[in-house]
Order: sequence, then C-alpha cells, then structure tokens
Amino acid sequence: GEQVEQLPSILRVQEGSSASINCTYENSASNYFPWYKQEPGENPKLIIDIRSNMERKQTQGLIVLLDKKAKRFSLHITDTQPGDSAMYFCAASANSGTYQRFGTGTKLQVVP
Amino acid sequence: DTTVKQNPRYKLARVGKPVNLICSQTMNHDTMYWYQKKPNQAPKLLLFYYDKILNREADTFEKFQSSRPNNSFCSLYIGSAGLEYSAMYLCASSRDRGLNQDTQYFGPGTRLLVL
Repeated sequence: GEQVEQLPSILRVQEGSSASINCTYENSASNYFPWYKQEPGENPKLIIDIRSNMERKQTQGLIVLLDKKAKRFSLHITDTQPGDSAMYFCAASANSGTYQRFGTGTKLQVVP
Repeated sequence: DTTVKQNPRYKLARVGKPVNLICSQTMNHDTMYWYQKKPNQAPKLLLFYYDKILNREADTFEKFQSSRPNNSFCSLYIGSAGLEYSAMYLCASSRDRGLNQDTQYFGPGTRLLVL
C-alpha cells in the first residue's frame, strides 16, 4: 500500500506548450505531495508541493492538482522552456511516518 | 546555507569490501535520510535518523548500517558490498518530522560502483 505510480516515464513536448505528469498513490493516509526536479549531475530539488487540505496550487508556471478521492495528483508545466528539460519525481508521504515514497520519474524533454 | 554535502561523489568498491558514505548539513535539521537510486527506478528509502533515533526499512534492515554522531553528520555503511549495491546514494535532510512533513533537501549523491 505504499506504491507511487508515475506516468509517463518519458515526455517530449514542443517549446511553449504545456507538459503534464501524473501520479497515483495507494496509501489513503498520504497528505503531503512534493515534486522534485533533477537536472543531470545535480541533486533533486523541490519545485512545488501540495498538502491534502488543498486541491490546487500554482506558482511560477507550475500547477499541481490533487484529487484525494482518486488518489491522484499531477504536475502541469505551462509554457515549457528548454530549461525545463530534466527528470521530475513525484512523492507522497503521510503523517504516520516521515518517509516519502517516490514515483519512478519522468524524463521531460522540451524541444525547440 | 541549504546545502547538503556528500562525500565522496564517486566510489569504486570491490565485492566483499566495506563501503562508508558520508553526508553532512549545517541547517540544524532534525532528520537525515539515505536513499538508494538505480536507473529507471524511484529513489528507495533505506533508513533515516530522527535526532538520534535510527529507523531502517524492513527490507534493507540487514544490508545497511548508519551512524549519526552529531546533528550535522550522518554516514551510510555497507559491511560487505555486493554487485547489487551499485547505485546512486542520495542523502537528504529535513527540519522536522511528523505533522509538518517538512521539505527534504537533497545532497548531490554518491555514485557507487561495485566490481
């Protein structure tokens, strides 16, 4: 009951278009959902997160949506730029433990 | 300074030999974590320290040891490396645990290759 599924594993989009990554989780107690961006040779960095008391959060070209009923959350990058090309990981965690379960990652490629 | 440091960045080890990886942070974070990351797989939590209390995942319990002699420093120890230990090892820290579910800050990772 701890799996986090992430799709797609590879996403190629045209510069200026939007990109969407979807994650589902199993643990209904999960209440914290961060998203990490990892560029080649760099460590994962938190880019946005959402807690279970919200359904939507938006910041600087990023939108995260949370559907607790469906146990689904998603990241939407609007107006993608080449600098958005990276690996993206979703994660989910619950108050009952400090550990986060990560998705398998999405490799986003933004092409001109 | 929100930097988490890891040493070494690259480590070559022989099968059957011990491996010791080091992580440090100066943010006075309560919790430090170690993850194993293999290509095309999600980062897998191995263990974490909340203050001085070590929590190890059930399926990696016997494979990895750790120590945290002070708040800033945490090590990951493999007593006898096997080929399957080849992976990226990520250290992370967070300010708190529990209700706040605080942000985790990751180090750059140590790439371990076991031959």
